[in-house]
Amino acid sequence: AQKITQTQPGMFVQEKEAVTLDCTYDTSDPSYGLFWYKQPSSGEMIFLIYQGSYDQQNATEGRYSLNFQKARKSANLVISASQLGDSAMYFCAMREGGSEKLVFGKGTKLTVNP
Amino acid sequence: GAVVSQHPSWVICKSGTSVKIECRSLDFQATTMFWYRQFPKQSLMLMATSNEGSKATYEQGVEKDKFLINHASLTLSTLTVTSAHPEDSSFYICSALNPVVGNYEQYFGPGTRLTVT
Repeated sequence: AQKITQTQPGMFVQEKEAVTLDCTYDTSDPSYGLFWYKQPSSGEMIFLIYQGSYDQQNATEGRYSLNFQKARKSANLVISASQLGDSAMYFCAMREGGSEKLVFGKGTKLTVNP
Repeated sequence: GAVVSQHPSWVICKSGTSVKIECRSLDFQATTMFWYRQFPKQSLMLMATSNEGSKATYEQGVEKDKFLINHASLTLSTLTVTSAHPEDSSFYICSALNPVVGNYEQYFGPGTRLTVT
């Protein structure tokens, strides 16, 4: 069974609008961490935001926020005021318990239209 | 933020030859590094976990004799693709774990694009 599911292969958004990228996860470990990375066409993986399973507040980093719904096991990324430079692949990833490994979802390709 | 470099950024080699890719953490000591492989339009697949001073731990299905990993120092891990074949053509990305950062964040290198002809 997939541990990280990203159901949107591709998403389109108009410049300056907000967009939500979906991510659901599967784990029985009470301690875990959730990450979002951006991968532009150049290939580098850019860390965006982190949410710990015990964090009470939803994580925010500038225009990025994570809508963490623990009971539903979802960790959706919200990008506000989209910019053309936001066009890229976005990957959700999870680290479980004491493991150092990251498990990645299949990614969502975001295209921001002018 | 922490910086991880990879060299080379791209390489073309003939079938049957070996290729070495370097991954360096530039401003922190990384006891643990990871090697990933990414095929076009696919996700990152973890190949192995590289620990300084010990043998790498390979994921299931990854041939340890084909993908040799050496983590000889706290700032350098190398991946050698031995007897490369066209099916080894891929994007190889390394990451380094900064133990000081509490969330186990991995810092990624810029990747190496390998083409085997």
